[in-house]
Amino acid sequence: GEQVEQRPPHLSVREGDSAIIICTYTDSATAYFSWYKQEAGAGLQLLMSVLSNVDRKEEQGLTVLLNKKDKRLSLNLTAAHPGDSAVYFCAVSARVVGQLTFGRGTRLQVYA
Amino acid sequence: EAAVTQSPRNKVTVTGGNVTLSCRQTNSHNYMYWYRQDTGHGLRLIHYSYGAGNLQIGDVPDGYKATRTTQEDFFLLLELASPSQTSLYFCASSDAWGPSAETLYFGSGTRLTVL
Repeated sequence: GEQVEQRPPHLSVREGDSAIIICTYTDSATAYFSWYKQEAGAGLQLLMSVLSNVDRKEEQGLTVLLNKKDKRLSLNLTAAHPGDSAVYFCAVSARVVGQLTFGRGTRLQVYA
Repeated sequence: EAAVTQSPRNKVTVTGGNVTLSCRQTNSHNYMYWYRQDTGHGLRLIHYSYGAGNLQIGDVPDGYKATRTTQEDFFLLLELASPSQTSLYFCASSDAWGPSAETLYFGSGTRLTVL
């Protein structure tokens, strides 16, 4: 089955700097790619998602890059601020219900 | 926006105890899911359902039962709880089709401790 590796597990950046989180996956049939944010004491909330026909998507200071050749997905938070401090998860699937595979999460801390 | 409510927020039980975790969603989503979240493992799918009376097995189903009684309500049952089931449990729901079909809407979680 699908294997997803997410790195780094912990990331600390200064306010205004960028933060990059990377996931690699193994299944060539993977066609749906997403990033979730989990704030303290809360459930996960979708940040962005892309399908396999998209290489790059930008929204509100977030950039998702998809490299299908290398089976790599990245999330770039440009100009991070303390409100971005949370745990981030990638989640991918071959668009089959019940087969969304999550990475292990990255705990991001943004300090002033 | 979909609303998913879990109860209780926290639960402590003893080994061998009987526990029921509840989840209700109010956006008429067809799919509902139960995940557990453990440090170093991310989220792992226990069971899911595509409608009342339906149950599908996830990736880590051992020791868990689930029941979907209505479109809105999905329950996770631990009939003989073990310490290995100490975890943070999340319920989620999603549409069956459309552009947001793959988006999961999560509840706030139930922290279960089995002593």
